[in-house]
Amino acid sequence: EPEVTQTPSHQVTQMGQEVILRCVPISNHLYFYWYRQILGQKVEFLVSFYNNEISEKSEIFDDQFSVERPDGSNFTLKIRSTKLEDSAMYFCASRPGYGATDTQYFGPGTRLTVL
Amino acid sequence: AQSVTQPDIHITVSEGASLELRCNYSYGATPYLFWYVQSPGQGLQLLLKYFSGDTLVQGIKGFEAEFKRSQSSFNLRKPSVHWSDAAEYFCAVGAGSGNTGKLIFGQGTTLQVKP
Repeated sequence: EPEVTQTPSHQVTQMGQEVILRCVPISNHLYFYWYRQILGQKVEFLVSFYNNEISEKSEIFDDQFSVERPDGSNFTLKIRSTKLEDSAMYFCASRPGYGATDTQYFGPGTRLTVL
Repeated sequence: AQSVTQPDIHITVSEGASLELRCNYSYGATPYLFWYVQSPGQGLQLLLKYFSGDTLVQGIKGFEAEFKRSQSSFNLRKPSVHWSDAAEYFCAVGAGSGNTGKLIFGQGTTLQVKP
């Protein structure tokens, strides 16, 4: 069964450094998402991406964040200058795009630790 | 604003016992509701979803959920829990302007199963 993959599984970085989290969504899916979960807190929506542009973003997704689909398979989340509070599990998701009710498929997550 | 509340942070049940995990939502329109499960080291896996129609929905692994509009609830049930059901369970509502399909999650309920 197709699945969403994410790399790396764990990323450790120094405060102020740039990080890129990578995701390979399910082939033929049209909508892509990033969510994050700070330890002990809710899973929070960051951004949705469709037709090569951001379709919606949360207030968390400020100028330090960007997303890109550089080719036909990868979907990346870049944090330009990481802060301690960016430490979290980041989940990528994709869905086919039949409608808002179709299923989002999640990857296993990347744990980001900012020191 | 849309929100999801899972009142129980942690639940422990004995293997073979019945289970009910509670979920309350706040959403102005007809909600699209989801239950996801997360096992350690895994991504979020969809258990079931509700859009319309029959208010009792069946999912994978023997789970079911009932939508009650009058109570703004979407509780997850299983008649007999197995040790492999130990995991974290997330209730979510599909929201977002247009067709973005973003999900708003509750804080999750950790299920522990006693032998």
